[in-house]
Amino acid sequence: AQSVTQLDSQVPVFEEAPVELRCNYSSSVSVYLFWYVQYPNQGLQLLLKYLSGSTLVKGINGFEAEFNKSQTSFHLRKPSVHISDTAEYFCAVSPSSNTGKLIFGQGTTLQVKP
Amino acid sequence: GAGVSQSPSNKVTEKGKDVELRCDPISGHTALYWYRQRLGQGLEFLIYFQGNSAPDKSGLPSDRFSAERTGESVSTLTIQRTQQEDSAVYLCASSLGGRRGYTFGSGTRLTVV
Repeated sequence: AQSVTQLDSQVPVFEEAPVELRCNYSSSVSVYLFWYVQYPNQGLQLLLKYLSGSTLVKGINGFEAEFNKSQTSFHLRKPSVHISDTAEYFCAVSPSSNTGKLIFGQGTTLQVKP
Repeated sequence: GAGVSQSPSNKVTEKGKDVELRCDPISGHTALYWYRQRLGQGLEFLIYFQGNSAPDKSGLPSDRFSAERTGESVSTLTIQRTQQEDSAVYLCASSLGGRRGYTFGSGTRLTVV
């Protein structure tokens, strides 16, 4: 079984500052890792995913994440945030096979202040 | 269709009534998931269908919850004798397999009064 822990429930940050949203996972098998974003009153949108290969993954809207197998982490980063990045961010994990369920963390609310 | 379609988008029901939520996955997607998202919380896994295999029902919170899927088409999530704690957004997702990602519907917002 897999599980995901998002270490921060809320992250306040000023506009144009860098941000890191933390995600740790546990799994007995190899995994795929995902970050999803949910803007207010909208559905879930895929930001980026790690399947294999390079551990640094770039996604949409200037976000990137780094897979660290030894630390079992997949932290999300952005060097300079905008007001429009204010949203809920979810880390998720699934087994690296064609079957197996996608499990989400509890989410991190990113609050970008002017 | 082009995306995952869920209906209704909003449902208000009285406590004790049964409700049925519908999900139309992307055509050809073999996997289908249901999640529940309570206000201000994360996504709670409910049930997972993969092709013709027996569904993974490990996330269903009680026997009042059930779901069906015929083949690789529409799925319905049924909640019997609704309670106020069932109020949440119910999200459906479909997939061709983990590597190819998951596509989410816009959800059904259920309010039990």
